[in-house]
Amino acid sequence: DQQVKQNSPSLSVQEGRISILNCDYTNSMFDYFLWYKKYPAEGPTFLISISSIKDKNEDGRFTVFLNKSAKHLSLHIVPSQPGDSAVYFCALGRDDKIIFGKGTRLHILP
Amino acid sequence: EAQVTQNPRYLITVTGKKLTVTCSQNMNHEYMSWYRQDPGLGLRQIYYSMNVEVTDKGDVPEGYKVSRKEKRNFPLILESPSPNQTSLYFCASSSFQLIEAFFGQGTRLTVV
Repeated sequence: DQQVKQNSPSLSVQEGRISILNCDYTNSMFDYFLWYKKYPAEGPTFLISISSIKDKNEDGRFTVFLNKSAKHLSLHIVPSQPGDSAVYFCALGRDDKIIFGKGTRLHILP
Repeated sequence: EAQVTQNPRYLITVTGKKLTVTCSQNMNHEYMSWYRQDPGLGLRQIYYSMNVEVTDKGDVPEGYKVSRKEKRNFPLILESPSPNQTSLYFCASSSFQLIEAFFGQGTRLTVV
């Protein structure tokens, strides 16, 4: 039973445009919603999070939106840059575990 | 520098030969965890530990053991590896709230 779904295995976006990565979840018993970024041959790195009591969190070019009624999380990257090409994992966190989605590979096109 | 260190980075072994993958963190984090990453399956949690001498099963614990005798170390033990444990393994650590986990660079294990 997949609790975190990232339905797009890959996404291609022109450099300078907005990248939107989406995530749906089924289990509401989590306190934090997270995005991690992974480059080849490296471990995932934390990107941005949002608490379950908020609906938006911004950090520079990255904004995460949470729609609890729809159980939907999205990450906006604007403007997209070549270094943003990576795999992005959506994750749900609480005090005893983090559950990850399968990831979306983002390609930023020149 | 804050980091999680895994060793080895690459390992090829034969079925049934016991092995240990080490994980060490220098951030005094309470929480540590092991994940495996497989194509099309994302990151799946194997075991986790909330503190010294406290460990618990994740989503895919079969065939693995862990121990947490010291706060900084969390080794992953495969007593009798099998080919279906061929995977990319990541160790992670976090402070108690688990908002931001730090990952090691990964260990690519091949069991033949």
